[in-house]
Amino acid sequence: AQRVTQPEKLLSVFKGAPVELKCNYSYSGSPELFWYVQYSRQRLQLLLRHISRESIKGFTADLNKGETSFHLKKPFAQEEDSAMYYCGSGLNFGNEKLTFGTGTRLTIIP
Amino acid sequence: DTGVSQDPRHKITKRGQNVTFRCDPISEHNRLYWYRQTLGQGPEFLTYFQNEAQLEKSRLLSDRFSAERPKGSFSTLEIQRTEQGDSAMYLCASSQPPFADTQYFGPGTRLTVL
Repeated sequence: AQRVTQPEKLLSVFKGAPVELKCNYSYSGSPELFWYVQYSRQRLQLLLRHISRESIKGFTADLNKGETSFHLKKPFAQEEDSAMYYCGSGLNFGNEKLTFGTGTRLTIIP
Repeated sequence: DTGVSQDPRHKITKRGQNVTFRCDPISEHNRLYWYRQTLGQGPEFLTYFQNEAQLEKSRLLSDRFSAERPKGSFSTLEIQRTEQGDSAMYLCASSQPPFADTQYFGPGTRLTVL
């Protein structure tokens, strides 16, 4: 079974400082990894997924199969980055069920 | 608004009552998913449909839960004989694989069982 772990429930970072949200997964196959974000009073929305290798809103995430990690990074935090972030995995992303971590609440301190 | 919509947004009920939620996916999305999210947790998969066919159900979906998508468009999730442990946010998502395989989520229905 797939399992996704986000060790930090809360993370506070000063504006302009680097951000790293940790995510580890466990699955014997090759799951697709992704990050969803939920801003205050908004619905869950996809931030990025590893196969697209894009940088969205300055965020990047590299899949490290050796460490089974998919950490989310941004070099300079902005106040609008304050949100709830969920790491997750899916065998076939949009085609089947997704497995989410418990989420990390990121707060950017002005 | 052409996104996924859910109705109602909030539902308060007494233990033992039945409740039904509705989800309208993005038009022409053939996949529809139901997730449940409890406080402090991420969304947990419940079930999903390909058009009107229910393809997978989680063990979280007890006999008191039933989901339908009769015409392959909107879906309903019914909980019978609600229990306090059913209190959660119920999320719906839709996708259109293979070319639009991102799962787009609705705003959710928050259920409170007293």
